[in-house]
Amino acid sequence: DAKTTQPPSMDCAEGRAANLPCNHSTISGNEYVYWYRQIHSQGPQYIIHGLKNNETNEMASLIITEDRKSSTLILPHATLRDTAVYYCIVVNSWGKFQFGAGTQVVVTP
Amino acid sequence: DAGVIQSPRHEVTEMGQEVTLRCKPISGHNSLFWYRQTMMRGLELLIYFNNNVPIDDSGMPEDRFSAKMPNASFSTLKIQPSEPRDSAVYFCASSSGQQETQYFGPGTRLLVL
Repeated sequence: DAKTTQPPSMDCAEGRAANLPCNHSTISGNEYVYWYRQIHSQGPQYIIHGLKNNETNEMASLIITEDRKSSTLILPHATLRDTAVYYCIVVNSWGKFQFGAGTQVVVTP
Repeated sequence: DAGVIQSPRHEVTEMGQEVTLRCKPISGHNSLFWYRQTMMRGLELLIYFNNNVPIDDSGMPEDRFSAKMPNASFSTLKIQPSEPRDSAVYFCASSSGQQETQYFGPGTRLLVL
């Protein structure tokens, strides 16, 4: 199963874009990249996912490199409520989600 | 639409007691997952059901843990006997199929004294 590497933490100023990197150099051709976040002790919340193409929804944008070995989650205008742990997950063919340590994002005023 | 429902939200019990955690997946979802989260080990997949059948239980810690899914709208995770090291937050998630988005419940915070 593909593993992911994320920075342990990052800070972001409120109102600015937050760019969260993720490395998944061993990803296979049929494996999706999913992003979730977890605010305090709540259940993980789905953000976005993609296979090859870049994706955008009301929460974020996902940029996947052409070789698919890395991706970036973009929160266009970070707010204080975006403070959370963000998980990048590579999902195998039967749908196994392996959560790593994630990136602790702190949005400051 | 109600999301994934878990009960109880909090459970405090004594070592040796039986603990039963409950989960109601989102209606129409045919895949159900049980996870455990601790500070030391993070979020771990315990077991995965597809169409009420356990597909992968390799994450279940030991024989003290068991999970059932008697029908499409209900699943239980049982710990018998419970031990202090079982203290954790247990999450249930459901999805509409393999590689589909998983939606998580609010979790059950378990404390075993």
